[in-house]
Amino acid sequence: GENVEQHPSTLSVQEGDSAVIKCTYSDSASNYFPWYKQELGKRPQLIIDIRSNVGEKKDQRIAVTLNKTAKHFSLHITETQPEDSAVYFCAARAGGTSYGKLTFGQGTILTVHP
Amino acid sequence: GAGVSQSPRYKVAKRGQDVALRCDPISGHVSLFWYQQALGQGPEFLTYFQNEAQLDKSGLPSDRFFAERPEGSVSTLKIQRTQQEDSAVYLCASTRDRGKEKLFFGSGTQLSVL
Repeated sequence: GENVEQHPSTLSVQEGDSAVIKCTYSDSASNYFPWYKQELGKRPQLIIDIRSNVGEKKDQRIAVTLNKTAKHFSLHITETQPEDSAVYFCAARAGGTSYGKLTFGQGTILTVHP
Repeated sequence: GAGVSQSPRYKVAKRGQDVALRCDPISGHVSLFWYQQALGQGPEFLTYFQNEAQLDKSGLPSDRFFAERPEGSVSTLKIQRTQQEDSAVYLCASTRDRGKEKLFFGSGTQLSVL
């Protein structure tokens, strides 16, 4: 089955700096890659996603890039703010499986210091 | 309702007890998913329904776990003879139909088995 590795496990930045979180996946047939933000005790919330036919997607301060050849994708947050502090999870959906059946990474605890 | 609703929010069970966790998906959403999230980990897929049909239960960890969705709306995840390793947050998510990939998670049920 699909395996997703996420790095780093913790990331600490100063307000205004950029943050980058990287994930690799194992199944070359995977075709959908969402990113979730989870604040303590709350539900995971989808912040951005990308499909395998797209190399990059941007939404305001958040961007995701996908390298299908290398089987890795990254989340980029620019101009970080304290409210960006949370746990971020990447995920991948392997080809041929039911929609919504995602394999998640282990998570990255992002701390943005004022 | 406005979002996926889960109840109870917290559940404490003694080892060996049976528990039932409820999920009310977003109105009209055809597909429903259950995930298990252990402390400090990413969510892990348990099972998937399309309407009332359970199409994938490959993630259920043992035969003590059972899920149903008899009328294609509300779903119940039942855990029999709970064990300490069952302690986790159980997340429910729904999608509009098979063609819609964005998962909307509920707030989860935090199960603690003593």
